[in-house]
Amino acid sequence: RKEVEQDPGPFNVPEGATVAFNCTYSNSASQSFFWYRQDCRKEPKLLMSVYSSGNEDGRFTAQLNRASQYISLLIRDSKLSDSATYLCVGIDYKLSFGAGTTVTVRA
Amino acid sequence: DGGITQSPKYLFRKEGQNVTLSCEQNLNHDAMYWYRQDPGQGLRLIYYSQIVNDFQKGDIAEGYSVSREKKESFPLTVTSAQKNPTAFYLCASSPTSNQPQHFGDGTRLSIL
Repeated sequence: RKEVEQDPGPFNVPEGATVAFNCTYSNSASQSFFWYRQDCRKEPKLLMSVYSSGNEDGRFTAQLNRASQYISLLIRDSKLSDSATYLCVGIDYKLSFGAGTTVTVRA
Repeated sequence: DGGITQSPKYLFRKEGQNVTLSCEQNLNHDAMYWYRQDPGQGLRLIYYSQIVNDFQKGDIAEGYSVSREKKESFPLTVTSAQKNPTAFYLCASSPTSNQPQHFGDGTRLSIL
């Protein structure tokens, strides 16, 4: 079983919609979690860290549920520029990347 | 500007040839990493180094080698033993191994 698993999508949503997706992790020892964004044929870029209490950065909200071992990302008021693959990452002694969830925002 | 520089951006390998991908960072990060990404797939860890002169195998180290003689540099050699080297190779660094990583913009390796 992979350490971090994501629904690959694609999630195809209209501009202005809200989209949310989860990532599950198998290693309960994982200490920290992050969401990265990767555009087609580009390197991943850090989007936000995920804290136990949940955190928000503009239109993006990340939450961690340790009891059920998943983290979530919610995007409100989707923009065309939000179209990307979102990678979930957990850390124990190294980073474990999920395979990514593809989001396409259409006009 | 501080950052991670990978070179070359595109690389072609002939059959039986070893090639070396460069990764340099000026962020003063202790930890450095190499990943491979195949089309439509996630990142797979090849090697990582938490400190100078030390490195560990990741999940897919066979057919690859690395060195970490300087803090700033972590070159990856794709040897002829790697039979399917065509992929997007990403180098990353982080202040320590349990902090988020910053990525270079990658090297695309293809077989001639």
